[in-house]
This record gives sequence, C-alpha cells and structure tokens, in this order.
Amino acid sequence: EVQLVETGGGLIQPGGSLRLSCAASGFTVSSNYMSWVRQAPGKGLEWVSIIYSGGSTYYADSVKGRFTISRDNSKNTLYLQMNSLRAEDTAVYYCARGRQGGYFDLWGRGTLVTVSS
Amino acid sequence: QSVLTQPPSVSGAPGQRVTISCTGSSSNIGAAYDVHWYQQLPGTAPKLLIYGNSNRPSGVPDRFSGSKSGTSASLAITGLQAEDEADYYCQSYDSSLSGFWVFGGGTKLTVL
Repeated sequence: EVQLVETGGGLIQPGGSLRLSCAASGFTVSSNYMSWVRQAPGKGLEWVSIIYSGGSTYYADSVKGRFTISRDNSKNTLYLQMNSLRAEDTAVYYCARGRQGGYFDLWGRGTLVTVSS
Repeated sequence: QSVLTQPPSVSGAPGQRVTISCTGSSSNIGAAYDVHWYQQLPGTAPKLLIYGNSNRPSGVPDRFSGSKSGTSASLAITGLQAEDEADYYCQSYDSSLSGFWVFGGGTKLTVL
C-alpha cells in the first residue's frame, strides 16, 4: 500500500528542538520530491519545506534557518529537524509527496507539535 | 493573510451547485502556474481533489470540476451531497521572493 506515516510530534518548550519522521511505503522517497506542510489549530495549510529528488532543499521564510529537511534513502524516510521552536510553530505537520505539476498527491495523517511552556 | 484569497465559507442545499473562488496575482496564478484543489474532511488530512487546474485524480467524482482564468481559479461542485461538507483549499506556486508553494486560506463548505 502506498502511504506516508508521520511520527515524532509532541509537547516541547519554546526554544527546544524536535525531529519529525515520515516513513514512506509503496514508493521511493528519493525518486520524488517530498514536502512538509503544517496546519495550526483551526487555521489553514502552510507550506514549510521541500526536498527534490536531486537533493535541493527550500524553506518558507517563517522557518528558514531553524528547520532542516532531509531524507534517509536506506530507510525510505523523510525528516524535519526543527530547532529554536516558537509558540507559532504549534501545528499538525503533514508530509506530502509532490508531483511534477506542482501539486501534492499523497499525504500522511499528520503529527501534532505543540510548543508551550 | 494568505497569498491566495478564498471566501471563508459557502453553503448550499443538497443537489445544488456551489462554486469556490481562488484569487491570486501576477506572481502566482497570473504567471501561468497551475492551480490545484484539496478537500479536507473534519479531522483528516487533505486529499487531492483537482490538479493542473481542471484534472481529477482517479476516484474523484465528476461532480467536482476546476477552472482557471487570468489571476483566478474556481472549484465547482454540482449535485451537492452531505458528505461534501468539508474545508477546501486552493494551491499554486508563487515566484516572488517569499514565494514557493502557496495555499489559499481555505473555504468551509456547509451543506444545509
């Protein structure tokens, strides 16, 4: 079955760090471009970061310099390392598979990150 | 403020037709970047509904259709059903300095 499963969310204090994982099955992460999209409680979707099959990475201004996207090809897993977390980073984080046309055709169920003291 | 503007809410009775607009600018929709639509049912992850302005993935009913013109796009839903009640998001690409992939603020569809 083709699917994405995110893990690693939780409650973290402001200024702390957290690493999210997204395990893929049924397809190869490294052959696709993969993204993280977040959704704050009661709010809309916000694109966070993307990694292309060639390894290039891009970030939204709101997380640039604090978040790092990466992948482990041997584990077929996508990661999001989040440092210097702020209250406004509180959200459900989804990983999603991107397609050449610029859309996301496969989404995980998401993992909740709560930044609070 | 979202780069793409959608109405916060729309509503319709079962069987009716509703449309949801998505307004952008010359750096995204108006720059010929495609528009895509997602449906998010309560408590679930987003699901791709329309890609490339007007294409439906396998399994999406033909009651859903998309169009694009100039700096705007629209999602139309005909034969409204109770299970269509959800949040709908448009998405495109933005070429401005702070751009990349951008979403609309979302539209809550209520089936009366």
